[in-house]
Amino acid sequence: EIVLTQSPGTLSLSPGERATLSCRASQSVSSNYIAWYQQKPGQAPRLLIYGASSRATGIPDRFSGSGSGTDFTLTISRLEPEDFEVYYCQQYGGSPWTFGQGTKVEIK
Amino acid sequence: EVQLVESGGGLVQPGGSLRLSCAASGFMFSGYAVNWVRQAPGKGLEWVSSFSGRDGSTNYADSVKGRFSISRDNSKNTLYLQMHSLRAEDTAVYYCAKGGLDLWDGPMYYFDYWGQGTLVTVSS
Repeated sequence: EIVLTQSPGTLSLSPGERATLSCRASQSVSSNYIAWYQQKPGQAPRLLIYGASSRATGIPDRFSGSGSGTDFTLTISRLEPEDFEVYYCQQYGGSPWTFGQGTKVEIK
Repeated sequence: EVQLVESGGGLVQPGGSLRLSCAASGFMFSGYAVNWVRQAPGKGLEWVSSFSGRDGSTNYADSVKGRFSISRDNSKNTLYLQMHSLRAEDTAVYYCAKGGLDLWDGPMYYFDYWGQGTLVTVSS
């Protein structure tokens, strides 16, 4: 099983700042099959990024994904008020599909 | 518009059974993998089970293997999760999620659309 470790656990930033979220895998992820999700309280997760760097339909271009092998990054170039939520990475390169424990982006 | 609507959640005693349903619309149901993902109260996301849209294969997380069974009825565009021998640690919101698609590699197990979730509480 591939274990995903997200860091930091909480990121305290101000609107307009750049956010960099990390997701590290315990072994190389096949074909860089990494997805990122955003979750608001009481709502289902929303897909942001798949294939490590492809934006999902309707996702603003301030969200970008990068990385390969075991190290992946979600970057939010300029934080908007609606971006202060919890973010999860997920690998789908090999079963069982696994999620990271999440990073909370909070207003500083 | 893709829609996934879960139902069947509720309160059940430890050792009991429950069947969840997920009614899908807005996409060619038989052509995609469909999945269950759960989230315990205040916790992160945990993949539970998947049903392939390509070859009919299924797979399960170790935590539910042998107790849960996934099935689908393509004529009704509905996904099911039959849960037996429920434990307190199965308490969670259960989400139905549609799998993605790669033009070259076919069905993918990232989750591009989600239902609103149904709460399962296992307690005496």
